[in-house]
Amino acid sequence: DAGVIQSPRHEVTEMGQEVTLRCKPISGHDYLFWYRQTMMRGLELLIYFNNNVPIDDSGMPEDRFSAKMPNASFSTLKIQPSEPRDSAVYFCASSGLAEYTQYFGPGTRLTVL
Amino acid sequence: AQSVTQLGSHVSVSEGALVLLRCNYSSSVPPYLFWYVQYPNQGLQLLLKYTSAATLVKGINGFEAEFKKSETSFHLTKPSAHMSDAAEYFCAVSARNTDKLIFGTGTRLQVFP
Repeated sequence: DAGVIQSPRHEVTEMGQEVTLRCKPISGHDYLFWYRQTMMRGLELLIYFNNNVPIDDSGMPEDRFSAKMPNASFSTLKIQPSEPRDSAVYFCASSGLAEYTQYFGPGTRLTVL
Repeated sequence: AQSVTQLGSHVSVSEGALVLLRCNYSSSVPPYLFWYVQYPNQGLQLLLKYTSAATLVKGINGFEAEFKKSETSFHLTKPSAHMSDAAEYFCAVSARNTDKLIFGTGTRLQVFP
């Protein structure tokens, strides 16, 4: 398996623009997680899905952030409108049922100017 | 609620020396505990995990950790550091009835020749 795939790897955008981050989990995994990593706040869980259904979105910072998982092989994290404080590395991870191991993608480094 | 505390944001050792990275956890229920490693510009990779089997857990790259309930600790050790061990290390905890991981703030390991 190719592992968790994220695109793009780097994104530079201007404040106010819409940003869409994409993730393809490992085939057969039931869980998908979105994290944000910054120097100031460390690694934060934003939202996670089980069988394509959002289970916990309490980490989503505000209404500008939204996440979807239309099918078992694809998820998006959207920021609209983006702000400079959204600059961070965003990771997607997936896990199998009762596996208790999350497999991380390489991350998307987002810079909002 | 669960939480982890990693003591020391930076640890420096000489090549060949013992590596000891400290992690203490707090959990109201029996926990699962994890150590992940992050190399520069990469996602997190699982080193080892404790899920209630043997209290001494062996992982990849010669690392091991011991679950000590009386001390609420799960310290990571390696007898002899290698230059390639330089990375950031994260301790994480989850409750047995959830799929969420709570990460510590990370410890950056530097290895000097």
